[in-house]
Amino acid sequence: EAQVTQNPRYLITVTGKKLTVTCSQNMNHEYMSWYRQDPGLGLRQIYYSMNVEVTDKGDVPEGYKVSRKEKRNFPLILESPSPNQTSLYFCASSFRQGMGSYNSPLHFGNGTRLTVT
Amino acid sequence: DAKTTQPTSMDCAEGRAANLPCNHSTISGNEYVYWYRQIHSQGPQYIIHGLKNNETNEMASLIITEDRKSSTLILPHATLRDTAVYYCIVRVGNQGGKLIFGQGTELSVKP
Repeated sequence: EAQVTQNPRYLITVTGKKLTVTCSQNMNHEYMSWYRQDPGLGLRQIYYSMNVEVTDKGDVPEGYKVSRKEKRNFPLILESPSPNQTSLYFCASSFRQGMGSYNSPLHFGNGTRLTVT
Repeated sequence: DAKTTQPTSMDCAEGRAANLPCNHSTISGNEYVYWYRQIHSQGPQYIIHGLKNNETNEMASLIITEDRKSSTLILPHATLRDTAVYYCIVRVGNQGGKLIFGQGTELSVKP
């Protein structure tokens, strides 16, 4: 089954303790992206990757890191989490956007609810 | 800044058509309009997308104005399961990968 898998689904941690949220897709998509969702603010893009070893900042990248060493994986790293990073996080993937007239819908994971105390 | 503007909320009677508007007055010629919906806190689900022509699939229809500055998502026969937040998204030009979601429209389908 084609899917985007995020782990863990729920995570409670303390301020300053490094954590990684994993994201994996099995559709051979070039494009992957991370979003956070907060009440009243909708979905905001954190980072995106157009292909392996290519990453770029979205609208709210501060406090986050990403890597794209393999096509299928795009982990989100919080080196020193803070309470303002408590949020619902989504990973998404698609075939590469922006090439000619080809456009591809995003496939989203089921989300990771992170609480930082 | 958000590239799209949508009403915060809308109601629709079950069985009637739901028409969800979206304003994207700064859209560029090569930017597509996408619609997604999110039920509760699940991952957003793709509905439909288009460039300039009207589009229809098994879920919905998308009507894009001739000047492309606005569009309307139509759910022809809304059901209670269509209650969700609907997002209208415009892909940001040649940056390709940067996507800006607006606040979305919370659609409530009522019996």
